[in-house]
Amino acid sequence: DADVTQTPRNRITKTGKRIMLECSQTKGHDRMYWYRQDPGLGLRLIYYSFDVKDINKGEISDGYSVSRQAQAKFSLSLESAIPNQTALYFCATSVKEETQYFGPGTRLLVL
Amino acid sequence: GNSVTQMEGPVTLSEEAFLTINCTYTATGYPSLFWYVQYPGEGLQLLLKATKADDKGSNKGFEATYRKETTSFHLEKGSVQVSDSAVYFCALSDRGGSYIPTFGRGTSLIVHP
Repeated sequence: DADVTQTPRNRITKTGKRIMLECSQTKGHDRMYWYRQDPGLGLRLIYYSFDVKDINKGEISDGYSVSRQAQAKFSLSLESAIPNQTALYFCATSVKEETQYFGPGTRLLVL
Repeated sequence: GNSVTQMEGPVTLSEEAFLTINCTYTATGYPSLFWYVQYPGEGLQLLLKATKADDKGSNKGFEATYRKETTSFHLEKGSVQVSDSAVYFCALSDRGGSYIPTFGRGTSLIVHP
């Protein structure tokens, strides 16, 4: 089984809808991250969490919120989706500054 | 702040050609350096890393050397294969700072038979 899983893998939604993307990990890492990937822009950090009680905004947090329900679970919400949030979203985990382990990604289309 | 600059792509090569993808960085502390690879339809995965100056990371025929004097971590492979076609990301994680990773924009590699 994969160490980092994301659900759903693909999602189509309409402008104004609230959606949640979920991430679970079995690596036992304290640190978890949410990124979005857009063509030509690489990876941009949305939110990150160093443990269950520590959540921080990243480079592009506007329009997003997160919840760290447990060490193993980190969810990303779009409160009111808009078309420019169409992107590929990745969850990742790590131990301090070491290697990041990525999930397979969620492809989101906002119409 | 920290930043990573890598060459823009796509890089298009014939099979068995030599590959170099340039990566330079700026960091406020003393970073660890990484190359990640993203195959089509998948998430990123670690290709190689180096944690101190002059270290060489290597994996699957790819190599990169941590050059502190030139703040560079260029990726090389002597003979690429069609299966190496992917997007390659250079990244750093600053151990002297908040440990938040910084990624380059990625370089697409296309290898033709």
